[in-house]
Amino acid sequence: GAGVSQTPSNKVTEKGKYVELRCDPISGHTALYWYRQSLGQGPEFLIYFQGTGAADDSGLPNDRFFAVRPEGSVSTLKIQRTERGDSAVYLCASSKSGPGANVLTFGAGSRLTVL
Amino acid sequence: AQKVTQAQTEISVVEKEDVTLDCVYETRDTTYYLFWYKQPPSGELVFLIRRNSFDEQNEISGRYSWNFQKSTSSFNFTITASQVVDSAVYFCALIVNRDDKIIFGKGTRLHILP
Repeated sequence: GAGVSQTPSNKVTEKGKYVELRCDPISGHTALYWYRQSLGQGPEFLIYFQGTGAADDSGLPNDRFFAVRPEGSVSTLKIQRTERGDSAVYLCASSKSGPGANVLTFGAGSRLTVL
Repeated sequence: AQKVTQAQTEISVVEKEDVTLDCVYETRDTTYYLFWYKQPPSGELVFLIRRNSFDEQNEISGRYSWNFQKSTSSFNFTITASQVVDSAVYFCALIVNRDDKIIFGKGTRLHILP
Protein backbone atom coordinates (compact mmCIF):
# COMPACT_ATOMS: atom_id res chain seq x y z
CA GLY A 1 0.00 0.00 0.00
CA ALA A 2 0.85 3.66 -0.08
CA GLY A 3 1.69 3.84 3.60
CA VAL A 4 2.17 1.67 6.67
CA SER A 5 -1.17 0.37 7.87
CA GLN A 6 -1.82 -0.71 11.46
CA THR A 7 -4.86 -2.41 12.88
CA PRO A 8 -6.67 -2.01 15.14
CA SER A 9 -6.23 1.69 15.71
CA ASN A 10 -7.59 1.27 19.21
CA LYS A 11 -7.78 -1.79 21.41
CA VAL A 12 -9.19 -1.94 24.93
CA THR A 13 -8.69 -5.17 26.80
CA GLU A 14 -8.74 -6.54 30.31
CA LYS A 15 -5.71 -7.46 32.32
CA GLY A 16 -4.63 -11.01 31.60
CA LYS A 17 -6.05 -11.19 28.08
CA TYR A 18 -4.17 -11.93 24.87
CA VAL A 19 -3.79 -9.24 22.21
CA GLU A 20 -2.60 -9.19 18.59
CA LEU A 21 -1.62 -6.02 16.74
CA ARG A 22 -1.14 -6.11 12.99
CA CYS A 23 1.17 -4.13 10.72
CA ASP A 24 1.06 -3.99 6.94
CA PRO A 25 4.24 -2.29 5.68
CA ILE A 26 4.84 -0.42 2.47
CA SER A 27 4.99 -2.84 -0.44
CA GLY A 28 8.58 -3.81 -1.22
CA HIS A 29 10.01 -2.69 2.11
CA THR A 30 12.12 -5.53 3.49
CA ALA A 31 12.77 -4.01 6.91
CA LEU A 32 10.02 -3.74 9.52
CA TYR A 33 10.21 -2.33 13.03
CA TRP A 34 7.99 -2.23 16.10
CA TYR A 35 8.26 0.62 18.59
CA ARG A 36 6.28 1.38 21.74
CA GLN A 37 5.37 4.92 22.80
CA SER A 38 4.16 5.59 26.30
CA LEU A 39 2.40 8.82 27.20
CA GLY A 40 4.77 11.78 27.10
CA GLN A 41 7.69 9.71 25.89
CA GLY A 42 9.49 9.12 22.64
CA PRO A 43 9.13 5.84 20.78
CA GLU A 44 11.16 2.96 22.19
CA PHE A 45 12.52 0.15 20.04
CA LEU A 46 11.01 -3.31 20.43
CA ILE A 47 12.04 -5.48 17.46
CA TYR A 48 13.40 -5.30 13.93
CA PHE A 49 12.73 -7.73 11.09
CA GLN A 50 14.78 -8.11 7.94
CA GLY A 51 12.60 -10.21 5.68
CA THR A 52 11.01 -13.01 7.67
CA GLY A 53 13.56 -13.16 10.45
CA ALA A 54 13.85 -11.10 13.59
CA ALA A 55 17.27 -9.49 13.23
CA ASP A 56 17.10 -7.80 16.63
CA ASP A 57 14.52 -8.44 19.35
CA SER A 58 16.52 -6.91 22.17
CA GLY A 59 13.84 -4.32 22.91
CA LEU A 60 11.07 -6.77 23.77
CA PRO A 61 10.47 -6.18 27.49
CA ASN A 62 9.83 -9.81 28.48
CA ASP A 63 8.66 -13.16 27.14
CA ARG A 64 5.02 -12.09 27.10
CA PHE A 65 5.83 -10.16 23.94
CA PHE A 66 6.38 -11.92 20.65
CA ALA A 67 6.29 -10.84 17.01
CA VAL A 68 6.19 -12.70 13.71
CA ARG A 69 6.51 -11.89 10.04
CA PRO A 70 5.99 -15.27 8.36
CA GLU A 71 5.99 -14.18 4.73
CA GLY A 72 8.23 -11.16 4.95
CA SER A 73 5.40 -8.68 4.63
CA VAL A 74 2.68 -8.36 7.26
CA SER A 75 3.80 -8.57 10.87
CA THR A 76 1.86 -9.35 14.04
CA LEU A 77 2.89 -8.25 17.52
CA LYS A 78 1.47 -10.60 20.13
CA ILE A 79 1.13 -9.82 23.81
CA GLN A 80 0.16 -12.54 26.26
CA ARG A 81 -1.31 -12.05 29.75
CA THR A 82 -1.54 -8.30 29.28
CA GLU A 83 -0.76 -6.01 32.20
CA ARG A 84 -1.81 -2.43 32.85
CA GLY A 85 1.78 -1.34 32.21
CA ASP A 86 1.49 -2.57 28.62
CA SER A 87 -0.87 0.32 27.86
CA ALA A 88 0.80 2.43 25.17
CA VAL A 89 0.74 3.23 21.48
CA TYR A 90 2.46 0.53 19.45
CA LEU A 91 4.05 1.94 16.33
CA CYS A 92 5.12 0.00 13.28
CA ALA A 93 7.56 1.31 10.68
CA SER A 94 9.14 0.01 7.52
CA SER A 95 12.09 0.92 5.31
CA LYS A 96 13.44 -0.17 1.94
CA SER A 97 16.32 -2.12 3.35
CA GLY A 98 18.10 -2.08 6.65
CA PRO A 99 18.33 0.70 9.20
CA GLY A 100 21.14 3.21 9.41
CA ALA A 101 20.75 5.77 6.68
CA ASN A 102 17.36 4.51 5.60
CA VAL A 103 14.37 6.60 6.53
CA LEU A 104 11.66 4.81 8.45
CA THR A 105 8.04 5.37 7.44
CA PHE A 106 5.73 5.01 10.43
CA GLY A 107 2.13 3.95 10.70
CA ALA A 108 -0.44 5.79 12.80
CA GLY A 109 -0.08 3.27 15.60
CA SER A 110 -2.31 0.97 17.61
CA ARG A 111 -3.37 2.41 20.95
CA LEU A 112 -3.61 -0.37 23.52
CA THR A 113 -5.41 0.20 26.80
CA VAL A 114 -5.30 -2.53 29.43
CA LEU A 115 -7.92 -2.11 32.13
CA ALA B 1 25.42 4.10 24.83
CA GLN B 2 23.51 6.57 22.74
CA LYS B 3 21.24 9.25 24.12
CA VAL B 4 19.11 12.10 22.80
CA THR B 5 18.02 14.94 25.03
CA GLN B 6 15.27 17.40 24.22
CA ALA B 7 15.26 19.66 27.22
CA GLN B 8 12.17 21.62 26.19
CA THR B 9 9.11 19.60 27.14
CA GLU B 10 6.57 22.10 25.89
CA ILE B 11 6.75 25.44 24.06
CA SER B 12 4.01 27.91 23.22
CA VAL B 13 4.45 30.77 20.78
CA VAL B 14 2.12 33.11 18.97
CA GLU B 15 1.60 32.54 15.29
CA LYS B 16 4.24 34.15 13.02
CA GLU B 17 6.91 34.04 15.70
CA ASP B 18 10.10 32.09 15.11
CA VAL B 19 10.79 29.14 17.39
CA THR B 20 13.83 26.89 17.92
CA LEU B 21 13.63 23.35 19.22
CA ASP B 22 16.80 22.11 20.88
CA CYS B 23 18.35 18.67 20.54
CA VAL B 24 21.54 17.41 22.16
CA TYR B 25 22.84 13.94 21.45
CA GLU B 26 25.47 11.62 22.91
CA THR B 27 27.41 8.94 21.10
CA ARG B 28 30.99 7.70 20.91
CA ASP B 29 30.52 6.49 17.36
CA THR B 30 31.95 8.63 14.59
CA THR B 31 29.42 7.53 11.97
CA TYR B 32 25.83 8.24 12.83
CA TYR B 33 22.63 9.79 11.51
CA LEU B 34 20.37 12.36 13.08
CA PHE B 35 16.69 12.80 12.34
CA TRP B 36 13.78 15.04 13.13
CA TYR B 37 10.24 13.67 13.05
CA LYS B 38 6.93 15.50 13.52
CA GLN B 39 4.00 13.83 15.28
CA PRO B 40 0.72 15.70 14.69
CA PRO B 41 -2.41 14.86 16.71
CA SER B 42 -3.21 12.06 14.26
CA GLY B 43 -0.28 10.19 15.79
CA GLU B 44 1.68 9.29 12.69
CA LEU B 45 5.37 10.18 12.83
CA VAL B 46 6.31 12.24 9.80
CA PHE B 47 9.92 12.35 8.64
CA LEU B 48 11.36 15.87 8.30
CA ILE B 49 15.11 15.55 7.83
CA ARG B 50 18.10 13.20 8.05
CA ARG B 51 21.68 14.28 8.56
CA ASN B 52 24.84 12.17 8.58
CA SER B 53 27.70 12.87 10.94
CA PHE B 54 30.04 13.96 8.18
CA ASP B 55 27.81 16.67 6.82
CA GLU B 56 27.67 19.72 9.06
CA GLN B 57 26.10 22.00 6.51
CA ASN B 58 23.00 23.72 7.76
CA GLU B 59 19.87 23.06 5.80
CA ILE B 60 16.86 25.14 4.95
CA SER B 61 13.58 23.84 3.59
CA GLY B 62 10.95 26.52 3.29
CA ARG B 63 10.19 27.81 6.80
CA TYR B 64 12.23 25.02 8.39
CA SER B 65 15.96 25.13 9.05
CA TRP B 66 18.38 22.89 10.92
CA ASN B 67 21.65 23.75 12.62
CA PHE B 68 24.01 20.80 13.13
CA GLN B 69 27.06 21.47 15.31
CA LYS B 70 29.29 18.53 16.15
CA SER B 71 31.37 20.66 18.52
CA THR B 72 28.37 20.97 20.85
CA SER B 73 26.65 17.69 19.80
CA SER B 74 23.55 19.63 18.89
CA PHE B 75 21.06 19.41 16.05
CA ASN B 76 18.59 22.25 16.54
CA PHE B 77 15.46 22.88 14.51
CA THR B 78 14.05 26.33 13.77
CA ILE B 79 10.63 27.15 12.40
CA THR B 80 10.40 30.63 10.93
CA ALA B 81 7.08 32.51 10.83
CA SER B 82 5.29 29.70 12.66
CA GLN B 83 1.78 28.66 11.69
CA VAL B 84 -0.98 26.94 13.64
CA VAL B 85 -0.47 23.81 11.50
CA ASP B 86 3.01 23.50 12.96
CA SER B 87 1.47 22.53 16.29
CA ALA B 88 2.67 19.00 17.03
CA VAL B 89 5.18 17.00 19.01
CA TYR B 90 8.63 17.06 17.46
CA PHE B 91 11.16 14.29 18.03
CA CYS B 92 14.89 14.36 17.50
CA ALA B 93 16.46 10.93 16.93
CA LEU B 94 19.83 9.26 16.48
CA ILE B 95 21.06 6.01 14.96
CA VAL B 96 24.67 4.86 14.79
CA ASN B 97 25.90 3.10 11.70
CA ARG B 98 26.60 -0.24 13.38
CA ASP B 99 23.19 -0.48 15.03
CA ASP B 100 19.57 -0.96 14.02
CA LYS B 101 17.76 0.96 16.73
CA ILE B 102 16.78 4.58 16.33
CA ILE B 103 17.03 6.32 19.69
CA PHE B 104 14.40 9.01 20.12
CA GLY B 105 14.35 11.94 22.49
CA LYS B 106 11.28 12.50 24.66
CA GLY B 107 9.94 15.08 22.26
CA THR B 108 8.98 18.74 22.45
CA ARG B 109 5.29 19.62 22.30
CA LEU B 110 4.89 22.81 20.28
CA HIS B 111 1.76 24.94 20.53
CA ILE B 112 1.29 27.69 17.96
CA LEU B 113 -1.36 30.07 19.22
CA PRO B 114 -3.51 31.98 16.71
